[in-house]
Amino acid sequence: NAGVTQTPKFQVLKTGQSMTLQCAQDMNHNSMYWYRQDPGMGLRLIYYSASEGTTDKGEVPNGYNVSRLNKREFSLRLESAAPSQTSVYFCASSRTSGKVADTQYFGPGTRLTVL
Amino acid sequence: SQKIEQNSEALNIQEGKTATLTCNYTNYSPAYLQWYRQDPGRGPVFLLLIRENEKEKRKERLKVTFDTTLKQSLFHITASQPADSATYLCALITNAGKSTFGDGTTLTVKP
Repeated sequence: NAGVTQTPKFQVLKTGQSMTLQCAQDMNHNSMYWYRQDPGMGLRLIYYSASEGTTDKGEVPNGYNVSRLNKREFSLRLESAAPSQTSVYFCASSRTSGKVADTQYFGPGTRLTVL
Repeated sequence: SQKIEQNSEALNIQEGKTATLTCNYTNYSPAYLQWYRQDPGRGPVFLLLIRENEKEKRKERLKVTFDTTLKQSLFHITASQPADSATYLCALITNAGKSTFGDGTTLTVKP
């Protein structure tokens, strides 16, 4: 039981490049989330998916797109990376379906640097 | 605008003492509140959840209180140990399911 896995662990991009961050969970959870965490700050919600087939914007969605590929996988895409997107990205999942969130289980994070 | 504040960025205490961390919020009506622990280079790990109609929750050496009148949650670690050193995050979750995290408080327990 791996929990929440994220790939890659580290990534360096040049401004304007694109990339997709992958996230998968094996806990049969309904809801999945993408956060970013900047140094000394808390987590800010980028997008979330309450259930398979649905996605909603969070607090800071600009510059990102997401795909809930199936119940297990939720990917985050940067179409044209900018230095302001340098951050640590965390994926999380929770059991509850629908609107009320439950305990969130986090992945180990992806450390992204945009030059 | 909605705001979550956790007390001072850093808290230093002596081993064996009780650590008290504060989470204050404004312009929010959370359905419940969660506390997470985050170690350097790792994702947050869930510790405790308290609902809006609950005053207090306990788990081993941890205790959390929730005062919706004061718009405040207190998180206590009793008999603190150096292994408790970490950053602690509070998260507010609304009835719509949206979660918002505070910036965290870094606790250092000195032997």
